[in-house]
Amino acid sequence: AQSVTQPDIHITVSEGASLELRCNYSYGATPYLFWYVQSPGQGLQLLLKYFSGDTLVQGIKGFEAEFKRSQSSFNLRKPSVHWSDAAEYFCAVGVGGGGADGLTFGKGTHLIIQP
Amino acid sequence: DVKVTQSSRYLVKRTGEKVFLECVQDMDHENMFWYRQDPGLGLRLIYFSYDVKMKEKGDIPEGYSVSREKKERFSLILESASTNQTSMYLCASSLVGQGADTQYFGPGTRLTVL
Repeated sequence: AQSVTQPDIHITVSEGASLELRCNYSYGATPYLFWYVQSPGQGLQLLLKYFSGDTLVQGIKGFEAEFKRSQSSFNLRKPSVHWSDAAEYFCAVGVGGGGADGLTFGKGTHLIIQP
Repeated sequence: DVKVTQSSRYLVKRTGEKVFLECVQDMDHENMFWYRQDPGLGLRLIYFSYDVKMKEKGDIPEGYSVSREKKERFSLILESASTNQTSMYLCASSLVGQGADTQYFGPGTRLTVL
């Protein structure tokens, strides 16, 4: 069965500093990988996704992620965080063709931004 | 923009009640999903549906059922609510396409079972 691990439950970063959120997955076939963000009181919003091609994926809000098959990882990065980036971040792997059978999510990483 | 709406943001029910959570999407998406979100557990898939009158069990279907009579509407039913079903419930929809299908999420329903 597929699984997603986000090793960091909480991360605190100073405003303007760089950010990397870790994600490791376990899936037998070619993975469809996603990063979602959930701001307080809001629904989930897609940041970016990967299914083939260039392993460095650009997303919204200045985020990017790199797929590394050899490490089974899909880490999310941002060069300079803003206070508005404070939120819960979820990595997910899609099951079935493109995720048609649903997503398996990690437990999330709570990002805190220090002024 | 895709819009996924859920009938209630907050709901309080009593143990043993039958509970209906409604979800509507306005983009003619084939696939619809129900997840529950609990602190420290992330989101877990309850049920999903490829089309009208079709349903598939997800990872945690016990205690739940679903109904999809129209393409745009997907209902989650708690036949006899229990306190361990207190949670945030999120509905999502996606368009079948090539590659990774983006799921669009509703704002969620926070259900409390007393």
